[in-house]
Amino acid sequence: EVQLVESGGGLVQPGGSLRLSCAASGFTFSSYEMNWVRQAPGKGLEWVSYSSSSGYTIYYADSVKGRFTISRDNAKNSLYLQMNSLRAEDTAVYYCVSGFQIWTYWGQGTLVTVSS
Amino acid sequence: EIVMTQSPATLSVSPGERATLSCRASQSVSSNLAWYQQKPGQAPRLLIYGASTRATGLPARFSGSGSGTEFTLTISSLQSEDFAVYYCQQYNNWPRTFGQGTKVEIK
Repeated sequence: EVQLVESGGGLVQPGGSLRLSCAASGFTFSSYEMNWVRQAPGKGLEWVSYSSSSGYTIYYADSVKGRFTISRDNAKNSLYLQMNSLRAEDTAVYYCVSGFQIWTYWGQGTLVTVSS
Repeated sequence: EIVMTQSPATLSVSPGERATLSCRASQSVSSNLAWYQQKPGQAPRLLIYGASTRATGLPARFSGSGSGTEFTLTISSLQSEDFAVYYCQQYNNWPRTFGQGTKVEIK
């Protein structure tokens, strides 16, 4: 069974940093592209970042470019999102999602709250 | 960036009735269009990809159609478990973008 389990969310002050993790199991993680997608409270879905299976090709949404860094450790079957210079508008549930085009598997999400 | 526009924002339907949801792209996305269902407190669930291909295990009452800039998700006979928010998403270009969602509620 495919599982994606996010962790690392919490309350952080504006300007602070947080690192999200996503532990993958049930599939060959090193063969799959991965994404982070977020959803602000009561709002729609927003794609945040993409990593190729090797980690060499990376994309970011303009809203997080220069502040967030996606990375992965294929030996540990894990995906990460380093979030710096956090703003109130970054408050959201962050989902780890597998796939390049077809996004079949989603984690349950981890809530990040940016507030003083 | 490709802007995805869904209509209507809210659709009130009685159980057993047909629901038709629309999604328009600001430029052609070919058939690179997916539909997701999201229930409160849950992650989105992939329903349709390639504009019309049902995800594994999806009941046949769900169908997708369209190409280019105009797409439709049809639920032929709404069941109680189908009341949820539905999002379309294009994966033709980066950034991947979603519509704002259509809430299907019980009439």
